[in-house]
Amino acid sequence: QQKVQQSPESLTVSEGAMASLNCTFSDGTSDNFRWYRQHSGKGLEVLVSIFSDGEKEEGRFTAHLNRASLHVSLHIREPQPSDSAVYLCAIQPGNYKYVFGAGTRLKVIA
Amino acid sequence: GGIITQTPKFLIGQEGQKLTLKCQQNFNHDTMYWYRQDSGKGLRLIYYSITENDLQKGDLSEGYDASREKKSSFSLTVTSAQKNEMAVFLCASSPRDWGGYEQYFGPGTRLTVL
Repeated sequence: QQKVQQSPESLTVSEGAMASLNCTFSDGTSDNFRWYRQHSGKGLEVLVSIFSDGEKEEGRFTAHLNRASLHVSLHIREPQPSDSAVYLCAIQPGNYKYVFGAGTRLKVIA
Repeated sequence: GGIITQTPKFLIGQEGQKLTLKCQQNFNHDTMYWYRQDSGKGLRLIYYSITENDLQKGDLSEGYDASREKKSSFSLTVTSAQKNEMAVFLCASSPRDWGGYEQYFGPGTRLTVL
């Protein structure tokens, strides 16, 4: 069964510095990879969806996918305190099947 | 745009009690999902419904029942709440499951069992 590991568990960055989050998965057969953000007490908000190796940018959020390395990352440019949240990586190994990581808790300090 | 509404926002129950969580979406999406989120763990799929009147078990269906009353609503029942159980239940919907369509999530129902 597909497994998803996220690192680090928590991350603190200063406002304006780049934040980098990582996600590794156990096999490279999935086609769909997504990064979500979850503010405290709220639902998940999709940030970036990526379906092929390479880079995908959505505003300040950039995902990098390398299926051969079983790795997808998220980089947040110029993070702000309002970006403080839990970030979840998800892969879709099959129809109606989604596997989520446990999340990285990001704190952005002013 | 659309919205997913989950009720109640907070649910407190007693051990052994049967508890029902409700979800409504106005996206007109075909597919709806129920996930459980435990602290420090990823989301785990409990049930999903591909279309109205369809029900499919996820990896965590034991101890739960689900009902897709109509296209816009999907309910989840905890058949016998377990003491000290604490989790957030998230409802989601999507137009389809293929072609890279997104899932949209509700704000969650936080369950506490005393």
